[in-house]
Amino acid sequence: GAVVSQHPSRVICKSGTSVKIECRSLDFQATTMFWYRQFPKQSLMLMATSNEGSKATYEQGVEKDKFLINHASLTLSTLTVTSAHPEDSSFYICSASPSNEQFFGPGTRLTVL
Amino acid sequence: QKEVEQDPGPLSVPEGAIVSLNCTYSNSAFQYFMWYRQYSRKGPELLMYTYSSGNKEDGRFTAQVDKSSKYISLFIRDSQPSDSATYLCAMSVNFGNEKLTFGTGTRLTIIP
Repeated sequence: GAVVSQHPSRVICKSGTSVKIECRSLDFQATTMFWYRQFPKQSLMLMATSNEGSKATYEQGVEKDKFLINHASLTLSTLTVTSAHPEDSSFYICSASPSNEQFFGPGTRLTVL
Repeated sequence: QKEVEQDPGPLSVPEGAIVSLNCTYSNSAFQYFMWYRQYSRKGPELLMYTYSSGNKEDGRFTAQVDKSSKYISLFIRDSQPSDSATYLCAMSVNFGNEKLTFGTGTRLTIIP
């Protein structure tokens, strides 16, 4: 199957700092990537749809100025959590689809102190 | 009401038992129904997907969809300790490059 990678796998930062998470499709091109967030013992919730070469589409309730998404190439999307706060601590997962099946990255665990 | 409801468990069964996992949903526009398996601190991996109503079998796994009842199931036969994971149902209107709506996931433990 196709491979989606994420970097970093884990990050710990201080409150008020910004954190960038990368999502890469390693063996296929992805015009669309999805960013999900998963809190402990809860489901994956879609945050935004990342579109190559255009603005991301955010789900209701997700602050676009806080969660900046850049899909600069067909294999890379980045999510930047700006001015992170402890309540932003979560597991962030991206996905992409080469054709039909969606493949998920391994996730990035963000801890904001 | 959530769009997709799933019993979070946890569910513990002895090795070799048949496991039944279920989800209900409210959005009648959903056409594709998927089951993902997620190990701790990992991304989900697709187990099976089904289009519209019906059954689909893949080895020890069987997925069932009843659109009239808005109810889907995943059955695991001859369960193994390696099946221990969180199982998430997911749904979408179209398949492929489209957002998925997930259930909360059921944490399953197979006891040797």
